[in-house]
Amino acid sequence: AQTVTQSQPEMSVQEAETVTLSCTYDTSESDYYLFWYKQPPSRQMILVIRQEAYKQQNATENRFSVNFQKAAKSFSLKISDSQLGDAAMYFCAYRSAGGTSYGKLTFGQGTILTVHP
Amino acid sequence: NAGVTQTPKFRVLKTGQSMTLLCAQDMNHEYMYWYRQDPGMGLRLIHYSVGEGTTAKGEVPDGYNVSRLKKQNFLLGLESAAPSQTSVYFCASSIRTDGNQPQHFGDGTRLSIL
Repeated sequence: AQTVTQSQPEMSVQEAETVTLSCTYDTSESDYYLFWYKQPPSRQMILVIRQEAYKQQNATENRFSVNFQKAAKSFSLKISDSQLGDAAMYFCAYRSAGGTSYGKLTFGQGTILTVHP
Repeated sequence: NAGVTQTPKFRVLKTGQSMTLLCAQDMNHEYMYWYRQDPGMGLRLIHYSVGEGTTAKGEVPDGYNVSRLKKQNFLLGLESAAPSQTSVYFCASSIRTDGNQPQHFGDGTRLSIL
């Protein structure tokens, strides 16, 4: 079974600065997908960014980018130019690529990000 | 755009009571999921369904039952609620795909068992 570990229970950043959230995972599979979800106090689960394991290029979505290191099984999220609205719980999630996985996600424990003005 | 709708949003139960959480999606998704979220543990899969009339166990299925009589609805039942089931419950759905299509989540149900 796959496991996902977020070793930083809490992180903080100054507005306009850059912060990196860590995520590591354990799997014996070669093909899979990785996701970062954001959960603000409203409790919504919002997709931030996704990465296909077969792609070497790191995914980028505006101020959000990832550092995907397949050999090290690491998938960190970098938030540039942090904004107050980025304050939330962030979850890293893993999904097998095989059809029998049925799209099930395995989540990390979450990292609470605080943004200071 | 309703997406995934969960009912109710909050509920307080006494130990031993039963209840059903309703999840409805209007995106014609084949796959549906129920997760629970507990502090320090992220979201854990309770049960899931890959189509109408089918259900399967996830990581933490004990104490819960599910049904998917209609494609758009996925019900989560607690037959005899226990304090350990105090949690926030999320329903999600996705299309049938081997690709990177994400799950779409409801806004959660906060359930407290006294």
